[in-house]
Formats: sequence, structure tokens, C-alpha cells
Amino acid sequence: DVKVTQSSRYLVKRTGEKVFLECVQDMDHENMFWYRQDPGLGLRLIYFSYDVKMKEKGDIPEGYSVSREKKERFSLILESASTNQTSMYLCASSLSNMNTEAFFGQGTRLTVV
Amino acid sequence: TQLLEQSPQFLSIQEGENLTVYCNSSSVFSSLQWYRQEPGEGPVLLVTVVTGGEVKKLKRLTFQFGDARKDSSLHITAAQPGDTGLYLCASSERNAGNMLTFGGGTRLMVKP
Repeated sequence: DVKVTQSSRYLVKRTGEKVFLECVQDMDHENMFWYRQDPGLGLRLIYFSYDVKMKEKGDIPEGYSVSREKKERFSLILESASTNQTSMYLCASSLSNMNTEAFFGQGTRLTVV
Repeated sequence: TQLLEQSPQFLSIQEGENLTVYCNSSSVFSSLQWYRQEPGEGPVLLVTVVTGGEVKKLKRLTFQFGDARKDSSLHITAAQPGDTGLYLCASSERNAGNMLTFGGGTRLMVKP
């Protein structure tokens, strides 16, 4: 069974902390994505990676960075967490072909206090 | 990045009713995907449409891709409580390395 695993379902962090959200996929997919989901705004793309060590900014990269040192792992980093980064974070992966299905993790609900 | 607009944002109906939700863009889609997300889970792919005018059926769900490939619709016949969820359309752009972007979603509630 194909799988995208996010390291935490729920996370509470303090303002100013450095936060790491980890995502691992077991499908040998080239593409990996980080989205945040807020009510009424759908899924907004933060960063996208199409290969190891390669990354592209999405629509809302400010305040975030990413790391992809291995093909199966894509990390999202909040350098200095702020309360407006409280959200649901979803990781996804897909093959590099056009029209291919994206597989999602179950999400990490991050609260910054 | 291509902007996808979905309507309505919310829909609450009774079991057995029919409904249609829409996904529109000001630019042409190369292809379009529809996902459904249930509470506490990530989105799951329902269908991909590629050709203008294409119609795909998945049991009681009918997906249509506009002739000009700038819009798509999802029609559900005789909705059931199990159809409750967030319906999202998404497109990928070839010139952006197949970056996948989503619309704002339609939250559907089907009451028994």
C-alpha cells in the first residue's frame, strides 16, 4: 500500500521557535510538495521539489524553507514560528509525469502560541 | 501560478438531491484533477480530465471538462451522506515542473 507519512499529527510550538515538519514517501516519487490548508482558502502551495536538492517556491514561501537531501524525504522548516503560521500542513508526492496522481499524508495540525 | 476558482464554497443538501460544483480559470488548463478530502485525512484523487469536452463517470459522480479547457464541473446524482467532504480541483503546469495547484474547494454536507 502506497504511503506518505508525516511525522506528527498534532504539534504545538511557541512563537519564535524553529519548527521541522518531516515527510517521507515510499513510492520512489520524484515530486514532493508542501501545502498549508486554511478554511476557505483550499490548499496553498508553499514549496515544491522535483528532485533531490531541487526546490521551487510555491505561492506562499515566505517564512518557510525546505530541505530534500534524500529522494524519499522532504522537510518543511519554519525558521521562526509565528502565530499566523498556525495551520494544517499537508505533504504530497507524485511521479514527474503530467496528469499523475498526487498522494497525500494525513496532515500535521500546527498551533503556534 | 494558475488561479483556480471553485463555487460554491459551501453546500448543504438533503440526501437524494442532485448537485453541481464548478471549477473555473481565466487561462487554459492542460489537464484538471478532482480530489475529495474527508475530515482528518489528506485529499484523494477522484478523476483526471485531459481533453476538452471530456466527460467521465464514477458511479454517481459525473465530471465534465469544458470545451475550451477553462472550466470543469462535478455533478453528483442522488447525493448520500457518504459524499460529505471537501471537493478540490487541481491543475498542474508543465512549464512549472508539474507543480500542482489547487482551488479553494467546495465543502459539501449531505444530511440524512
